[in-house]
Amino acid sequence: GDSVTQMEGPVTLSEEAFLTINCTYTATGYPSLFWYVQYPGEGLQLLLKATKADDKGSNKGFEATYRKETTSFHLEKGSVQVSDSAVYFCALYYGGSQGNLIFGKGTKLSVKP
Amino acid sequence: DVKVTQSSRYLVKRTGEKVFLECVQDMDHENMFWYRQDPGLGLRLIYFSYDVKMKEKGDIPEGYSVSREKKERFSLILESASTNQTSMYLCASREQGATRNGYTFGSGTRLTVV
Repeated sequence: GDSVTQMEGPVTLSEEAFLTINCTYTATGYPSLFWYVQYPGEGLQLLLKATKADDKGSNKGFEATYRKETTSFHLEKGSVQVSDSAVYFCALYYGGSQGNLIFGKGTKLSVKP
Repeated sequence: DVKVTQSSRYLVKRTGEKVFLECVQDMDHENMFWYRQDPGLGLRLIYFSYDVKMKEKGDIPEGYSVSREKKERFSLILESASTNQTSMYLCASREQGATRNGYTFGSGTRLTVV
C-alpha cells in the first residue's frame, strides 16, 4: 500500500546550519506531496506542497522538490533559526476526491542558539 | 482562513468514562477527519466523514465512534475510555474535491485517561 518514510529524529542543529529532512514515498500513480509543521503545543500547519513531478514547494525559507525518479520529497532550509524548532511531517495524498492523507512518523527538529 | 476549533486543549478522564471530543469548522467543508498522534507512531486516522450523517472507518477505529449531525461539527466518542487511549487527538477538515490543498488542522486535544 501507499506509505511515507521519513528520517527519524530527533535532529539537533545550531542556528544558521543547513537542514535536510529526508522523505521518500511509495505510491501508485502520482500523489500530491506535503510537508506539515507542528510547533510545540499546537496542531499541524501546512508548510509547503507539490502536486506533480519536478514541482518545487517553498515557504518561510523551506523548500522541497517532488522527485518522481527517486520517489522523494526532501525538506531543506539553508539557515535554520531557533524558531524553526518543531516536528515536521511528510505526507502524501492519494485516492482522488475521496482520498486521504498518509503521514510519515514525524521528525523532531531542535535548533540551538 | 479556515478555522478548525477543538473544544478542549487538555482533558483528564477516568477509565470507563464516556468521552466526547468536539470539533467545529467554520468554512462549510464537507470532509472532516479525526487522527490520534503518538510518539514514534506519527498520525493515525481513526474516522473520517465525507458529509453530514456519513462516516468511514480509518486505520484504527476500534474503541471509537463518531457523530456528524451537522456539517460544521464532527464529534469523536470514546464509549468506555481506557488508558491506552491516552493520546493527542487532532481534528482536520478539507473542502470536498480540493485534494491539492491538504487539510486544515485544529490545535489538538491532549487526553489523559487515568
